[in-house]
Amino acid sequence: GAVVSQHPSWVICKSGTSVKIECRSLDFQATTMFWYRQFPKKSLMLMATSNEGSKATYEQGVEKDKFLINHASLTLSTLTVTSAHPEDSSFYICSARDSFGWGNSPLHFGNGTRLTVT
Amino acid sequence: ILNVEQSPQSLHVQEGDSTNFTCSFPSSNFYALHWYRWETAKSPEALFVMTLNGDEKKKGRISATLNTKEGYSYLYIKGSQPEDSATYLCASLSGSARQLTFGSGTQLTVLP
Repeated sequence: GAVVSQHPSWVICKSGTSVKIECRSLDFQATTMFWYRQFPKKSLMLMATSNEGSKATYEQGVEKDKFLINHASLTLSTLTVTSAHPEDSSFYICSARDSFGWGNSPLHFGNGTRLTVT
Repeated sequence: ILNVEQSPQSLHVQEGDSTNFTCSFPSSNFYALHWYRWETAKSPEALFVMTLNGDEKKKGRISATLNTKEGYSYLYIKGSQPEDSATYLCASLSGSARQLTFGSGTQLTVLP
């Protein structure tokens, strides 16, 4: 149980285009989803916390107009990288927490998306 | 400790050896400590969620201990197998963080 599906696994796009990444909880309801970015040999850096039906909470230094997050349902959150540039190339991964959990409940992760902007 | 730190960054062990690695985290305002195993091309998988000082959890050959007063957790693997090869991540909810903060991970390679 507790499967999170993230698509696409990898994407290559041209500079200036936008890319949408989907994160779906397949067998549980996720009121909260998290979006992370990972640089090589670095830790998962939290970008934003996505709550169903409300605006995402962005971490300091993350441009909300650059990284648009939508959490329209209890099972789907999307991250759109707008007007992508080569410096946005990175590994992005989502995780979800079930409706009744908080910090003492494990996170369920997607497989991640490798974005390359040329 | 202001951030979550893991050591070593990587290690290689022979099959059958036992090993352990460390996660250090802010000890103030402690709420929870998570361990995840992240195999290549897969998603991170939760191993343990620990909340009590002195707690020890075990899953098969893997166990973890927690010291919230000094801000560290150890992960132990007994009789390592090649399938244990993965990156082991810890994350804490403590200090001034509002959400889980991850360490950089320990990359374990078990040589057959």
